[in-house]
Amino acid sequence: DAGVIQSPRHEVTEMGQEVTLRCKPISGHDYLFWYRQTMMRGLELLIYFNNNVPIDDSGMPEDRFSAKMPNASFSTLKIQPSEPRDSAVYFCASSLLSASEQYFGPGTRLTVT
Amino acid sequence: DAKTTQPTSMDCAEGRAANLPCNHSTISGNEYVYWYRQIHSQGPQYIIHGLKNNETNEMASLIITEDRKSSTLILPHATLRDTAVYYCIVPTGAGGTSYGKLTFGQGTILTVHP
Repeated sequence: DAGVIQSPRHEVTEMGQEVTLRCKPISGHDYLFWYRQTMMRGLELLIYFNNNVPIDDSGMPEDRFSAKMPNASFSTLKIQPSEPRDSAVYFCASSLLSASEQYFGPGTRLTVT
Repeated sequence: DAKTTQPTSMDCAEGRAANLPCNHSTISGNEYVYWYRQIHSQGPQYIIHGLKNNETNEMASLIITEDRKSSTLILPHATLRDTAVYYCIVPTGAGGTSYGKLTFGQGTILTVHP
């Protein structure tokens, strides 16, 4: 299996622009997680899905952030409008049954200028 | 929710065993201990988890004390590629492995030197 796939790997955008991050989980996994990592706050869980349904979005920082999972093999995290403080590395992870044994993608490094 | 305490940093010589400690004195009876690591510029990587008994896989061994208040991750023959931040986590939420939210603390920076 190719593992969790994220795209793009790097994204540079200007403040106010819409940003869409994409994730393909490991085939057959039924949990999908979005995390954000910054130097100041470390690694934070933003939202997670089980069987394509959002279960807990309490970590989503504000309404500018939204996440969808239209099918079992694809998820998006959208930021609109983006702000410089959104600059971070965003990780997607997936897991099977045991949601604590998660497999992470390589991350998307987002820079908002 | 059980919190974990880890040393900020550790050093280890290449080829020697790296023993990374973790305290989780408030862990409850059905909560597991998970270990992850994050190599620079990569996503976190699952290593191992356990409940009571010692566990071993191809990456590491996990030793959990009888009172379950602490554990040690052992990398038997550390290599330079094992240099990473190691996280000891007790997932919060439902007991057991059905679902547990992973809260990543600061972890232990392990540096393996030649």
